[in-house]
Amino acid sequence: AQTVTQSQPEMSVQEAETVTLSCTYDTSESDYYLFWYKQPPSRQMILVIRQEAYKQQNATENRFSVNFQKAAKSFSLKISDSQLGDAAMYFCAYRGPGGGADGLTFGKGTHLIIQP
Amino acid sequence: KAGVTQTPRYLIKTRGQQVTLSCSPISGHRSVSWYQQTPGQGLQFLFEYFSETQRNKGNFPGRFSGRQFSNSRSEMNVSTLELGDSALYLCASSPGLAGSDTQYFGPGTRLTVL
Repeated sequence: AQTVTQSQPEMSVQEAETVTLSCTYDTSESDYYLFWYKQPPSRQMILVIRQEAYKQQNATENRFSVNFQKAAKSFSLKISDSQLGDAAMYFCAYRGPGGGADGLTFGKGTHLIIQP
Repeated sequence: KAGVTQTPRYLIKTRGQQVTLSCSPISGHRSVSWYQQTPGQGLQFLFEYFSETQRNKGNFPGRFSGRQFSNSRSEMNVSTLELGDSALYLCASSPGLAGSDTQYFGPGTRLTVL
């Protein structure tokens, strides 16, 4: 079974600074999909960014970008110019090529605190 | 497009009762997945439905069941509730079953079992 590990239970960053959240995963598949979701206090899960494993180019969405290292099975999220609204739980998630029998596999999450 | 909606948003039940949660997917989405979120276990996959058929199921007891209707709306049912069933239940919809189909989540139903 696939596993996703987020080794940082909590991270703190000053407003306007850059922060990187770590994620590693384990899979025997060569084709798969990786996601970062954000869960603010409202508990609504919001998609931040996604990455297809077959694409070498790292995905970018405005202030959010990923560093995808397929050989190392690493998928980190970089948030630039951190804003107070970025404060939330961030979950890294994996999904297999055919959707997978396990749906999305999530990490335990990283609680991101933004210091004003 | 309207997002994924879940009803009710909050629910309080007692042990031994049963509960039904509802999820309406984004218009045009045919796949609905359910997840349980608890502080101890994190986010765990319950099951996934597509075209009114359960396609995948997570490692949960048979007390957890679900169904999907022809309009893609889905319900999940938990029978004989236990204290450990207290959780946030999240529903997600996607266009299809492919790994490339991003799942979009609803606001969740907070279930408290007393």
